[in-house]
Amino acid sequence: AQTVTQSQPEMSVQEAETVTLSCTYDTSESDYYLFWYKQPPSRQMILVIRQEAYKQQNATENRFSVNFQKAAKSFSLKISDSQLGDAAMYFCAYSGYRGATNKLIFGTGTLLAVQP
Amino acid sequence: GAGVSQSPSNKVTEKGKDVELRCDPISGHTALYWYRQSLGQGLEFLIYFQGNSAPDKSGLPSDRFSAERTGGSVSTLTIQRTQQEDSAVYLCASSSGLAGLLWYFGPGTRLTVT
Repeated sequence: AQTVTQSQPEMSVQEAETVTLSCTYDTSESDYYLFWYKQPPSRQMILVIRQEAYKQQNATENRFSVNFQKAAKSFSLKISDSQLGDAAMYFCAYSGYRGATNKLIFGTGTLLAVQP
Repeated sequence: GAGVSQSPSNKVTEKGKDVELRCDPISGHTALYWYRQSLGQGLEFLIYFQGNSAPDKSGLPSDRFSAERTGGSVSTLTIQRTQQEDSAVYLCASSSGLAGLLWYFGPGTRLTVT
């Protein structure tokens, strides 16, 4: 069974600084997708970034980028120039490409605080 | 509608009562998922509907939990004889069901069992 592990329950960063959130996963599949979701206090899950496992190039979305290490099964999120609005719970998630259900499997989350 | 909607937003119930939580997915999405988010926990998969296929109920924690999806659209999650450990945020998501495409989440229902 696939698992996703986020080992940092809480992180803090100063406004305008850079922070990296860690995520590791376990799977026997060769094709899959990885995601980072943001959940602010409103509870609305917002997709931050997505990575296809067959792509070697790391995904980037504006200030958000990932470091995808397939062999190490690591998928970290880097937030550059942190803003107060980045404060939220961040979830790493996995989805199999050929799985029977393609359901998302989530880590336990990292609560990010942004200090002004 | 433009997104996934869930009702009610908040629900407080007494232990032992039954509750129904509703999810309206995005029109045309064939896949619908229910997740449970307990305080300090990640999102726990409960059940998955895909088109006319039999639902994947592998995540339901007990037989007190059930869900149905009528007409391939609206879904209702029912919890019978609620217990305090059922207190959580219940999130619904829908997608077009194809691998790698986007999941769209609703705002969730916060259930509090007193």
